[in-house]
Amino acid sequence: DTGVSQNPRHKITKRGQNVTFRCDPISEHNRLYWYRQTLGQGPEFLTYFQNEAQLEKSRLLSDRFSAERPKGSFSTLEIQRTEQGDSAMYLCASSLLGGSSGNTIYFGEGSWLTVV
Amino acid sequence: AQTVTQSQPEMSVQEAETVTLSCTYDTSESDYYLFWYKQPPSRQMILVIRQEAYKQQNATENRFSVNFQKAAKSFSLKISDSQLGDAAMYFCAYTGGFKTIFGAGTRLFVKA
Repeated sequence: DTGVSQNPRHKITKRGQNVTFRCDPISEHNRLYWYRQTLGQGPEFLTYFQNEAQLEKSRLLSDRFSAERPKGSFSTLEIQRTEQGDSAMYLCASSLLGGSSGNTIYFGEGSWLTVV
Repeated sequence: AQTVTQSQPEMSVQEAETVTLSCTYDTSESDYYLFWYKQPPSRQMILVIRQEAYKQQNATENRFSVNFQKAAKSFSLKISDSQLGDAAMYFCAYTGGFKTIFGAGTRLFVKA
């Protein structure tokens, strides 16, 4: 069990550029989540997948944001036409529905985005 | 809608002493889970302790224990014998269904 893996760990981009983050969940986990965290705040829910199906999206997720989870394995989060307000830590987490861990979600190390 | 409130932005404790972090939540669900996560300066969120709402017994993990008061919707974390490595942000979290909701966090300082 290698844990939740996120890449890249840090990304600096110019305003208006597109960025993509990747998340590899714990291998047997069927649920995958994206959260956003800014300094001094708790993580805010963005979206959730069960297997390959995206079941919920937060209103925080504007149409510039898109997330996919092809084949129910890894996931990508793309931000188009980045804005300075997108600067944050993007956290991926996974969990196992029906497992003994009781809905516990396990986080990756996060991907820091800085938009300049 | 469910909410999680942590009313202490910062707390400080002397090494080897005990500290309690507060958390309250609001929900109309009867079946849910509560968690405390720790986020050290390295930024990765680490699970500290978990409590199932249907269990009356308070969860304990080594030096960490909770005081779960379901009727009052209160879920505090007690850290005994505090260590320098306990210094971090602590987040209280609620899961009902699939979504986990976090409080704003409490920053814990540990003095040597």
